[in-house]
Amino acid sequence: EAQVTQNPRYLITVTGKKLTVTCSQNMNHEYMSWYRQDPGLGLRQIYYSMNVEVTDKGDVPEGYKVSRKEKRNFPLILESPSPNQTSLYFCASSGLYLLSNEQFFGPGTRLTVL
Amino acid sequence: DAKTTQPPSMDCAEGRAANLPCNHSTISGNEYVYWYRQIHSQGPQYIIHGLKNNETNEMASLIITEDRKSSTLILPHATLRDTAVYYCICTTDSWGKLQFGAGTQVVVTP
Repeated sequence: EAQVTQNPRYLITVTGKKLTVTCSQNMNHEYMSWYRQDPGLGLRQIYYSMNVEVTDKGDVPEGYKVSRKEKRNFPLILESPSPNQTSLYFCASSGLYLLSNEQFFGPGTRLTVL
Repeated sequence: DAKTTQPPSMDCAEGRAANLPCNHSTISGNEYVYWYRQIHSQGPQYIIHGLKNNETNEMASLIITEDRKSSTLILPHATLRDTAVYYCICTTDSWGKLQFGAGTQVVVTP
């Protein structure tokens, strides 16, 4: 089944404790990105990647890092999480062959930083 | 990308057609209209997109006015599982960031 998976789905952590949220897709998609969703602010893009070893900032990249060492994986790294990074996070992917902006989203990761 | 305006909420009876309006009066000639939906904090799901012509797929129909300043997403026979927030997005990009607005909360009732 074609899908985007994220792990963990839920995470409660403390300020300053480094964490990684994994994202994997099995559709051989070139494009992958991360969004965060907050009440009243909607979905905002954090980082995106056009292909392996190619990443770029979205609208709200501060406090986050990403890497794209393999085509299928696009982990989101919070080196020193802070309470304002408490949010619902979504990974998305899209294949350039689609010639459209049809994106496939993961199920989400709900992060709480205390 | 053109700004879109959608009603904040609407109700629909199960089995009836749901017609979701979207205004995009500043849309440019090469901007597509995309529709996504998000069911209760799940990941957004692509529904349909179009440029000028009306489009239909297994999920919905998209009607774009001739002047392209507005569009309507039609769910032909709404079910309880169609309860979700529906987002109308205009973009020229065939890839890249999707600019999600507030969307329309659709509640399908029995």
